[in-house]
Amino acid sequence: QQQVKQSPQSLIVQKGGIPIINCAYENTAFDYFPWYQQFPGKGPALLIAIRPDVSEKKEGRFTISFNKSAKQFSLHIMDSQPGDSATYFCAASTAARGSARQLTFGSGTQLTVLP
Amino acid sequence: DAMVIQNPRYQVTQFGKPVTLSCSQTLNHNVMYWYQQKSSQAPKLLFHYYDKDFNNEADTPDNFQSRRPNTSFCFLDIRSPGLGDAAMYLCATSREVGEPQHFGDGTRLSIL
Repeated sequence: QQQVKQSPQSLIVQKGGIPIINCAYENTAFDYFPWYQQFPGKGPALLIAIRPDVSEKKEGRFTISFNKSAKQFSLHIMDSQPGDSATYFCAASTAARGSARQLTFGSGTQLTVLP
Repeated sequence: DAMVIQNPRYQVTQFGKPVTLSCSQTLNHNVMYWYQQKSSQAPKLLFHYYDKDFNNEADTPDNFQSRRPNTSFCFLDIRSPGLGDAAMYLCATSREVGEPQHFGDGTRLSIL
């Protein structure tokens, strides 16, 4: 029930395209959904995050769409650039009573944006 | 400018030879985490400290230990590294449990 399923495993788009990365979860106690971007040789960097009381959040070219009833959330990158080529991880966490709020990561999506 | 600093960036050790990785933070965050990340995989949480309280994940091998002598520093000790322990080790911090985590750039550990 702690699993977060992420797809696709890899994604190739042309510059200017809109890559979409999807994640699904089972644990209805999850209440915080961040996305991390990781470049080779670097640690993950928090990109954008959403809580289940909103259905969409935008920060610059990055948008999270959240569907609470379907237990799914996705990352959209508008006007993608070659510099966006990285691995993207979705994650989820909970503040359920008695447990620490730990991040459960998806398996990652390797995005390549072609020039 | 770096807020979570890991040293060294690359570490090579011999099979069975103890090794220590270090992490420091300038954020004054209460929580510090250690993750293991293998190639093309998601980070896997090993343990975390909330202040001085140590919290071990159930599936973290006994071979892995940690110390947090003060708020700013946290160490990962691998007592007898095996070939399977070759990985990137990531340190992260958060102000409180449940708040956004800030990661360092990791230490890549190689085992000869």
